[in-house]
Formats: sequence, structure tokens, C-alpha cells
Amino acid sequence: DAMVIQNPRYQVTQFGKPVTLSCSQTLNHNVMYWYQQKSSQAPKLLFHYYDKDFNNEADTPDNFQSRRPNTSFCFLDIRSPGLGDAAMYLCATSRDRGLQPQHFGDGTRLSIL
Amino acid sequence: EDQVTQSPEALRLQEGESSSLNCSYTVSGLRGLFWYRQDPGKGPEFLFTLYSAGEEKEKERLKATLTKKESFLHITAPKPEDSATYLCAVQAGTGNQFYFGTGTSLTVIP
Repeated sequence: DAMVIQNPRYQVTQFGKPVTLSCSQTLNHNVMYWYQQKSSQAPKLLFHYYDKDFNNEADTPDNFQSRRPNTSFCFLDIRSPGLGDAAMYLCATSRDRGLQPQHFGDGTRLSIL
Repeated sequence: EDQVTQSPEALRLQEGESSSLNCSYTVSGLRGLFWYRQDPGKGPEFLFTLYSAGEEKEKERLKATLTKKESFLHITAPKPEDSATYLCAVQAGTGNQFYFGTGTSLTVIP
């Protein structure tokens, strides 16, 4: 029944070693979002795709990239993870960009050694 | 500056003790306000959307209300399974920007 699926649930990588997180959805929603959430903080939007149209938040570091090869899948690439990038990464979808609730996956907890 | 503030940060209730959580916002051009529940180690789960001042939504023991400056999530006779972090988010502006609050951590003690 899971509609937004994130893999893996837990990811450990080394300082500076590229890592990719994945998200898939069965809702056929047009919009996919990536958020970073640190402990006891609000989710912080990194970027979103409206269909194939990529929208980067102004304060998202260049170290973070994203790919959306098709409607169902979206990837978050961290090119050179630093210790400050350890966080929960949440993927969400919404049917459209208008006034629509977002549906979240259960996140990937990223640890940096 | 657009902002969403939730209070209190943490709340402990006895089972059956009703209370309210607050979400206040200062944004331009509110489009809607969303309430989510987040359990530890999980993603936020959608609860309600409120579109305009005066609107109310209910689901089981939860009731959300909206004014021009804030929203309340009222919890009536809570149970331990209501323990979670409750997040509010506001969608606003011509770009439909999404702003999350930092949440209220609710603990209901049996």
C-alpha cells in the first residue's frame, strides 16, 4: 500500500564519498519534492520537479543535485557529503503545484562517517 | 519575512486531558494551511487542509480551525496512540511556496 517509497531507509557513507538516495511513487503525481530534516527542525525544501521542470531553492547547496528520469522515480545525489549533511531526507509528492497536500515517504536517514 | 511558528514545542498530557496546539503564521497571500502528524523515524502523514478563515475540519479526536493569523489543532480526550509530532505547513504567495513549522511534540501518558 506504500505510495511513496524511499530507499534505502538508512544510508551510511564516508565524508566526501558521493551518495544517491532514491524515491518512487505509485500515485502518478506530477510534482516530486526533496526535503532535508534535521533533528527537532522543520523539513527544509531542497528542490522540486514539476513534471520534468526542475526547481531549485535559492539556498540549496550546489553539492545537492536531483534527477527525475520518469514520472515514478526521483533521485537525490549528494556529490561530496560533509558532516553537516547528516539528516533525514524526505521525498514527497503532490498531484499538482497548486493547493494540494503533499504525501511523504518514510525518509532515508543519512549518516556520514 | 514569511514565517510559521508552532507552540508549545512540547506538550505532555494525561490520557483524556484535552488541549490545543497552535500554529501562527506571517505570510503574504495565504493559499492554504496543512496539518501533518509525524511519528519517530517516519515521514509526515497528512491530516487536514484548511483554506480560509473560519474553516474547521475534524477527524476522530482531532479538530483543526483557522483564523487569519493562526490555526489550532484541538485534541479531545487524547489517547497514548496520539503521541507524535504535529507539524503545520503553510502554502502562500504566487509561487505557492511551502513553509513548515518546527512542530509540537505531543506525549500522552496513560
